[in-house]
Amino acid sequence: DTEVTQTPKHLVMGMTNKKSLKCEQHMGHRAMYWYKQKAKKPPELMFVYSYEKLSINESVPSRFSPECPNSSLLNLHLHALQPEDSALYLCASSQGTAYGYTFGSGTRLTVV
Amino acid sequence: DQQVKQNSPSLSVQEGRISILNCDYTNSMFDYFLWYKKYPAEGPTFLISISSIKDKNEDGRFTVFLNKSAKHLSLHIVPSQPGDSAVYFCAASPHPYSGAGSYQLTFGKGTKLSVIP
Repeated sequence: DTEVTQTPKHLVMGMTNKKSLKCEQHMGHRAMYWYKQKAKKPPELMFVYSYEKLSINESVPSRFSPECPNSSLLNLHLHALQPEDSALYLCASSQGTAYGYTFGSGTRLTVV
Repeated sequence: DQQVKQNSPSLSVQEGRISILNCDYTNSMFDYFLWYKKYPAEGPTFLISISSIKDKNEDGRFTVFLNKSAKHLSLHIVPSQPGDSAVYFCAASPHPYSGAGSYQLTFGKGTKLSVIP
């Protein structure tokens, strides 16, 4: 299995909703990441987990809350989002070498 | 402050010819460089990478060149094929943290390559 799987593929949520994005990999990678990509912009790093511990938070607002329940799963909990948070959210994982730095297909999030 | 720059938003190349995509960076702490290909509504797909101890890395039709003194790298695709048409992102990272080897990628804005049959 050489994939990073993200669910759901599409999500529409209201500004008062609580939702979660899920990411799963079974490659044994011990580093996992969340990126955000807006239209016609490059992906921007949000969070980095190393060995299930949050190692980097790139000054992301608290309405985004990451969680790493185990070495294969990464969640992103969403609460009280704003319309400007609408974007493609990408999960990635890696282990030791950048050759294995693999992205999922992303969750297209729309906040209404 | 853009640390990774891809100054050409788009590039058109005839099928069979060489495609050259350029990337410049400003952060001297960057130690590892990667190229990704991205189709709409999909995640980036890893193409090729190079570490700062090398100046060239080749993988099939793809070659990446790194000029550390100029803080410049380029991706060469030879020969170009219509299936290569996509947005290409250059990404850079400092040396990974020990242990899990996590890379903090900073991406350029991308170059849209169109290969004309």
